[in-house]
Amino acid sequence: EDQVTQSPEALRLQEGESSSLNCSYTVSGLRGLFWYRQDPGKGPEFLFTLYSAGEEKEKERLKATLTKKESFLHITAPKPEDSATYLCAGSGGSNYKLTFGKGTLLTVNP
Amino acid sequence: DAGVTQSPTHLIKTRGQQVTLRCSPKSGHDTVSWYQQALGQGPQFIFQYYEEEERQRGNFPDRFSGHQFPNYSSELNVNALLLGDSALYLCASSARQGIYNSPLHFGNGTRLTVT
Repeated sequence: EDQVTQSPEALRLQEGESSSLNCSYTVSGLRGLFWYRQDPGKGPEFLFTLYSAGEEKEKERLKATLTKKESFLHITAPKPEDSATYLCAGSGGSNYKLTFGKGTLLTVNP
Repeated sequence: DAGVTQSPTHLIKTRGQQVTLRCSPKSGHDTVSWYQQALGQGPQFIFQYYEEEERQRGNFPDRFSGHQFPNYSSELNVNALLLGDSALYLCASSARQGIYNSPLHFGNGTRLTVT
């Protein structure tokens, strides 16, 4: 069965303090690794899709990378508005579903 | 360009009752998926609809059923509600192109509370 594990569960940073979030996955026949941002009371907002090991994608202060077993979401010089829960999910084989991790709750203090 | 819309936003039901949640997909999308998100957890896949048929189902009992209409909108029905059904129910839409790895676009969900 596909599994996605995210760490840490919660991360508190000072504004400008760069860090990384981890997503370990066991997804048979990975077809895509997805990152989403979720604000309280809202649905997940799509950030990135990564398709193969070695791939990287960037958007503003965020950069997502992918290896054969893990994905990282690097946050450079974060701002308070980056505070949210970041979700990682994988799809594989002939599955149409996404398997999500529990998320990392990021808090950026001014 | 309207995104995914869900109604109602909040709902309170009594144990044993039945509930229907509604979803309109993003313009240009023809595939609808439903997810359940308990507090502090990631979303869990319930099922996906395409061409008005259930294409795949997650590990949810038959009390959970759905429907997709010709205009691609969808409903999620839950019968015989249990306290454990209290959660945020998320609808997500996608385009069929790139069917296995097409990004899902989520609505803001329906918060269901069962008392």
